[in-house]
Amino acid sequence: DAGITQSPRHKVTETGTPVTLRCHQTENHRYMYWYRQDPGHGLRLIHYSYGVKDTDKGEVSDGYSVSRSKTEDFLLTLESATSSQTSVYFCAISASLFSGGTNEKLFFGSGTQLSVL
Amino acid sequence: LAKTTQPISMDSYEGQEVNITCSHNNIATNDYITWYQQFPSQGPRFIIQGYKTKVTNEVASLFIPADRKSSTLSLPRVSLSDTAVYYCLVGYNNNDMRFGAGTRLTVKP
Repeated sequence: DAGITQSPRHKVTETGTPVTLRCHQTENHRYMYWYRQDPGHGLRLIHYSYGVKDTDKGEVSDGYSVSRSKTEDFLLTLESATSSQTSVYFCAISASLFSGGTNEKLFFGSGTQLSVL
Repeated sequence: LAKTTQPISMDSYEGQEVNITCSHNNIATNDYITWYQQFPSQGPRFIIQGYKTKVTNEVASLFIPADRKSSTLSLPRVSLSDTAVYYCLVGYNNNDMRFGAGTRLTVKP
């Protein structure tokens, strides 16, 4: 299995508080992604990164920010959590070292269950 | 509008072949179709990927017609352990990759 670790695995927080989720990889892959998974919607892309300090928005980026200061770490921040951000969050990495896109295999972490009360 | 559509659920019995279809009318010319399998409390796992015609590996086949507006994942002789949610992932233009909402497959004894 690809070396992807997400932390924390579970988190409960209150509306209005900041939350940071961490994704750590040991594969030295260039591309990293954050998805959220909700019933009826499947997996939707929040943000992705194609290198250190290089990030871009996905389909549902509002209310989220990301940072990548090292190849191995990709952080997802909810600046002021809302109940609509209650979800399961998955980090993924691409198998290729050089490109991203649908011709790549994605390897996923085990997810973070976030509840915003 | 980029949209990836698949059935919400399917039931099958052990030993049967299961076919799950994904619709993707606006797939980008150069992009692929990829299928993932997900068990409870785990992240999705790659099953198979294709661009056109037919692809087969040790666990599944993927059929893609010439117009590429849909694709069908075929699981031969399913077992109880194939009970899972199956997702298709399709690329549209400008790095817009979209998962379908997932198909929950239940295999019965």
